[in-house]
Amino acid sequence: SAVISQKPSRDICQRGTSLTIQCQVDSQVTMMFWYRQQPGQSLTLIATANQGSEATYESGFVIDKFPISRPNLTFSTLTVSNMSPEDSSIYLCSDSQGSGTEAFFGQGTRLTVV
Amino acid sequence: GENVEQHPSTLSVQEGDSAVIKCTYSDSASNYFPWYKQELGKGPQLIIDIRSNVGEKKDQRIAVTLNKTAKHFSLHITETQPEDSAVYFCAASKGGSYIPTFGRGTSLIVHP
Repeated sequence: SAVISQKPSRDICQRGTSLTIQCQVDSQVTMMFWYRQQPGQSLTLIATANQGSEATYESGFVIDKFPISRPNLTFSTLTVSNMSPEDSSIYLCSDSQGSGTEAFFGQGTRLTVV
Repeated sequence: GENVEQHPSTLSVQEGDSAVIKCTYSDSASNYFPWYKQELGKGPQLIIDIRSNVGEKKDQRIAVTLNKTAKHFSLHITETQPEDSAVYFCAASKGGSYIPTFGRGTSLIVHP
């Protein structure tokens, strides 16, 4: 399985600012995803990070708020823009080698917006 | 789309007891069912999975069963230990879709 490194592990940010979260995988992977996990809740898919093209966003998430990059098969970033306290959550990077295969997760970024 | 229901939301057991977490899914085309364990402050970790061509799979103290007719699958943990305390998520996905649908999670507490 690919090892996923995610940083920062946590951050406290002022409202109105932006934070970029980085996800590095130690081998090439087909798919990379970004999830949000609000306190005590399940995992909600934000978007699929597509290598070399625009990310595919799930209903309720937009590119202006959550711009995503994936310049190659091992790296992706998620930016949380113009943050408000409602954006306080855990953000998780995940990877998969494709349909019906295991998905693995990074350790998450715990974001607090004050 | 797929809908995954997970029960119970909280499960409290004594060390050494067994724990069972149950999930149901709605899409009969789903054929891959992973289970994840999430410890406090960490990301979810895959602990076991099952595909639709088998009915049961075991890995030491952990087992998963699948009933495709009834569209439900369960996680069984035997001889529970305090280090089993965590949140457990079930998920379902299908061929052609690499994105699992997750249940809402079960907080398992094992009392020493």
